[in-house]
Amino acid sequence: GAVVSQHPSRVICKSGTSVKIECRSLDFQATTMFWYRQFPKQSLMLMATSNEGSKATYEQGVEKDKFLINHASLTLSTLTVTSAHPEDSSFYICSAPRGDEQFFGPGTRLTVL
Amino acid sequence: GENVEQHPSTLSVQEGDSAVIKCTYSDSASNYFPWYKQELGKRPQLIIDIRSNVGEKKDQRIAVTLNKTAKHFSLHITETQPEDSAVYFCAAIAFSGGYNKLIFGAGTRLAVHP
Repeated sequence: GAVVSQHPSRVICKSGTSVKIECRSLDFQATTMFWYRQFPKQSLMLMATSNEGSKATYEQGVEKDKFLINHASLTLSTLTVTSAHPEDSSFYICSAPRGDEQFFGPGTRLTVL
Repeated sequence: GENVEQHPSTLSVQEGDSAVIKCTYSDSASNYFPWYKQELGKRPQLIIDIRSNVGEKKDQRIAVTLNKTAKHFSLHITETQPEDSAVYFCAAIAFSGGYNKLIFGAGTRLAVHP
């Protein structure tokens, strides 16, 4: 199967700082990647679709200026949580599609103090 | 847009019993329905999927059924084992904004008691 990595796996930061999360497809190219957020005991909620060579598209209610997405290459997408606040604490997961299947990264646990 | 509903939210069974989780979807154009198992702090793991051109698929103790007319699909786990305990999510593909996006159900927390 295809492999997607994510870095860092865990980050703790102070309120007001920015945090960058990287998502890489290791053995296939991904022109599209998806970013999800998962709060404790809840489902995965799609935040945005990252597109190589063009702007990301955001789901309704997701602030594009707060969650900056850059799809720098066919194997790398980054999500930057700007001016993070405690309510941004969550589990962030990326995925890359190949055919119908989605291949998920291992997730990043963000804790904002 | 696509909406996926999942029931029950929690399910407790004895080891060896069967477990059934049901989902409904709203978009009749959806044609791919995966099921994921997620353990605490881990990524979702695909356990089985079904495409709209078949009504049932089985892989050892796990089976999925799809009723396109009624727009519902179900996960069946037989001979449950304690290691089956996890959160299970159904999902449906929805074509939106030019992309095939996965829309998840709310999840079912399955507990298998020895």
